[in-house]
Amino acid sequence: SQKIEQNSEALNIQEGKTATLTCNYTNYSPAYLQWYRQDPGRGPVFLLLIRENEKEKRKERLKVTFDTTLKQSLFHITASQPADSATYLCALGFTGGGNKLTFGTGTQLKVEL
Amino acid sequence: EPEVTQTPSHQVTQMGQEVILRCVPISNHLYFYWYRQILGQKVEFLVSFYNNEISEKSEIFDDQFSVERPDGSNFTLKIRSTKLEDSAMYFCASSESGAGYNEQFFGPGTRLTVL
Repeated sequence: SQKIEQNSEALNIQEGKTATLTCNYTNYSPAYLQWYRQDPGRGPVFLLLIRENEKEKRKERLKVTFDTTLKQSLFHITASQPADSATYLCALGFTGGGNKLTFGTGTQLKVEL
Repeated sequence: EPEVTQTPSHQVTQMGQEVILRCVPISNHLYFYWYRQILGQKVEFLVSFYNNEISEKSEIFDDQFSVERPDGSNFTLKIRSTKLEDSAMYFCASSESGAGYNEQFFGPGTRLTVL
């Protein structure tokens, strides 16, 4: 079955630095990959979607890369702020079927002053 | 900005009781989903729904679960006879189409507690 691994340990960084979060997967490459932010007790909030034929996607301070050879996606937040502190989830999607997303366990990011 | 809404925010029920969780997806979206998240664990897919029928369901979505779109706006998840292990956050999501490259937008969730 598909396995998705995200850094299980929390990531603590200083304000202003770039945070880099990793999402590795096994077996089949997804057709697309989505990154979400989740705050405690809240629903996931969509951030970025990248397709299998795309290497990189950007949105404001966010950047996602997708390497199907390495079976890895990296999620970067530049000029990080304390408000970026949250858990970040990667989710894999496959074409066909009902568009279900398979989520990783998430990485908790804490941005300190 | 349009958003997915869910009610109630918190539901407490006794084991064996039926519960209905309600969702209002974003109005022009055509695909609807239910996910759940047990405390401290990852978000898990339950079911997807399109054109008034189930498109895909997970192993979790057994005969105790059902979904319905009773009118043009609501989307519901029913659990017929709740078990202790059904305690979780339940998230509704919707996407614009079923092309597979559409972002899914999640609601705030319903926290279900089964006693």
